[in-house]
Amino acid sequence: QEQLRESGGGVVQPGGSLRLSCTASGFIFRSYGMHWVRQAPGKGLEWVTFIRNDGSDKYYADSVKGRFTISRDDSENTVSLQMNSLRAEDTAIYHCVKDMDWGFGFWGQGILVSVSS
Amino acid sequence: QSALTQPPSASGSPGQSVTISCTGTSSDVGGYNYVSWYQRHPGKAPKFMIYEVNKRPSGVPDRFSGSKSGNTASLTVSGLQPDDEAIYFCASYAGRNNWVFGAGTQLTVL
Repeated sequence: QEQLRESGGGVVQPGGSLRLSCTASGFIFRSYGMHWVRQAPGKGLEWVTFIRNDGSDKYYADSVKGRFTISRDDSENTVSLQMNSLRAEDTAIYHCVKDMDWGFGFWGQGILVSVSS
Repeated sequence: QSALTQPPSASGSPGQSVTISCTGTSSDVGGYNYVSWYQRHPGKAPKFMIYEVNKRPSGVPDRFSGSKSGNTASLTVSGLQPDDEAIYFCASYAGRNNWVFGAGTQLTVL
């Protein structure tokens, strides 16, 4: 059974950093690209970033470009999101998502990141 | 404000069909056949229902179908069942390695 479990969320001050991790199980992790998608309070979903299955390409939404970095460790079946220079508008639930057929094939439950002084 | 426009709500009685629209632009929905649909029950993670406009992942009932015309994609749920009551949202590839979502439509089974 597929599982994606996010960790590392919490409260951070504006300008601070946080690192999210997502551990996968139940599928061949190295065969799939992975996304992070977020949902701010009262707002719709926003795609954040994507990494190819082999890590060769990484893409970012304009809103996070230059501040967020996605990476993966296939030996640990994990994908990570390093978030720097955090802003209040980065407050959201962050979901780790398995890519499938140009869609978001399987979602983690999500983890809360709150940027507040 | 979400990039793709969906009606906030839709409803139908058990056994009926309901169609939910998702309107974008020629830069996303209209420009690519990479529209997908998701079902979200309260407190649960979204579930992948439709990909590439009209294809169903394994395990999704054929009561769920997708289509597209121009800049508008649609999800049709036939033979409504009580468990179909959920939020449905769409997503589309938007070019330049970017994806966009709709805000979601609350489907109520009367």
